[in-house]
Amino acid sequence: NAGVTQTPKFQVLKTGQSMTLQCAQDMNHNSMYWYRQDPGMGLRLIYYSASEGTTDKGEVPNGYNVSRLNKREFSLRLESAAPSQTSVYFCASSTVYGYTFGSGTRLTVV
Amino acid sequence: SQQGEEDPQALSIQEGENATMNCSYKTSINNLQWYRQNSGRGLVHLILIRSNEREKHSGRLRVTLDTSKKSSSLLITASRAADTASYFCATSAGRRALTFGSGTRLQVQP
Repeated sequence: NAGVTQTPKFQVLKTGQSMTLQCAQDMNHNSMYWYRQDPGMGLRLIYYSASEGTTDKGEVPNGYNVSRLNKREFSLRLESAAPSQTSVYFCASSTVYGYTFGSGTRLTVV
Repeated sequence: SQQGEEDPQALSIQEGENATMNCSYKTSINNLQWYRQNSGRGLVHLILIRSNEREKHSGRLRVTLDTSKKSSSLLITASRAADTASYFCATSAGRRALTFGSGTRLQVQP
């Protein structure tokens, strides 16, 4: 099925560890995004990529880096995880008609 | 900061009743979108209304937009237990990524 695939689905990290969240879409969309969702809240934008080769900071970029590897893939890296980064992370891609979201990565930093 | 704010934060109704959720936003927009999120899942796009439109329908969904009041409403008619979810409005302004509200949690009692 066409869509946005995120890996892993769950992850537990120790404070200071690093990891990369992977995201791939097979809909040939130009734009891709990383959001985080904290309990009882909406989504906050971390980074986005309007097209292959470009990335821009969102509302909450501190502590994260991204790579738009090609048109399909957009990864999010935590270099030194902190408990404040415990959250559910969603990747999305879009057309002018709306966004398609992945199923999320639930990350816990202990 | 979140552009859209939904009201109410939570809503509980009986199956068959109508559910109305409201969204207010702060700045000029290109379009406003509504998304549904089932517990533990990603967001699903429901409907998009452009800034020059006042009303739009999709199945049992009716969305209105009042740009003079910077507000929108989502009406779900003849609700079903399967409509139980969180509903988010999101606004698009310029070429920036979507900004999401904090959501309305809808519970439809069978």
